[in-house]
Amino acid sequence: AQSVTQLGSHVSVSEGALVLLRCNYSSSVPPYLFWYVQYPNQGLQLLLKYTSAATLVKGINGFEAEFKKSETSFHLTKPSAHMSDAAEYFCAVSASNSGYSTLTFGKGTMLLVSP
Amino acid sequence: SQTIHQWPATLVQPVGSPLSLECTVEGTSNPNLYWYRQAAGRGLQLLFYSVGIGQISSEVPQNLSASRPQDRQFILSSKKLLLSDSGFYLCAWSLGQGETQYFGPGTRLLVL
Repeated sequence: AQSVTQLGSHVSVSEGALVLLRCNYSSSVPPYLFWYVQYPNQGLQLLLKYTSAATLVKGINGFEAEFKKSETSFHLTKPSAHMSDAAEYFCAVSASNSGYSTLTFGKGTMLLVSP
Repeated sequence: SQTIHQWPATLVQPVGSPLSLECTVEGTSNPNLYWYRQAAGRGLQLLFYSVGIGQISSEVPQNLSASRPQDRQFILSSKKLLLSDSGFYLCAWSLGQGETQYFGPGTRLLVL
């Protein structure tokens, strides 16, 4: 079974500061890992995805994440926060089986950006 | 390109009333389809998934049901809504093993 833990339900940063959102996973097989962003009253939008290729994955809006197998982590970073980054972020791990993939999500981290 | 639609966008229903939420996907064939519920502070909970017409798997026993009458149509239903059914319902689709899931805009359901 897969599981995801996101450390911190809320993270506050100042505009221009580094963004670091933490995600640790548990998986019995090599995982696929995802970060999604959700703006208020909207669906989830894919930020980036790890599929066992390069361990450093670059996504949209300047975000990137690094897969660290030894630490079972997939933390999301952005060098400089923008006000428009304020949203909820979800880390997810896939359980691939028989042609379909179910995603197990973390509980989410709300990113607050102050001017 | 592929698009996913959900309707209605918002719904207010009394306890005990029926429910029907619809999700349709355009621009792809034979997608895997998913229904999630998002309750405040509780993340996303997978309710149902489907790998083909008429094939539904339930992840959580409850008073909800799902159907897939056509390849790109996924319906979430209930005969009698409970207060606890309130939440944000998200439909998603993917192609194949390990592929990304793409989400619809969601339906906000409030049961009073």
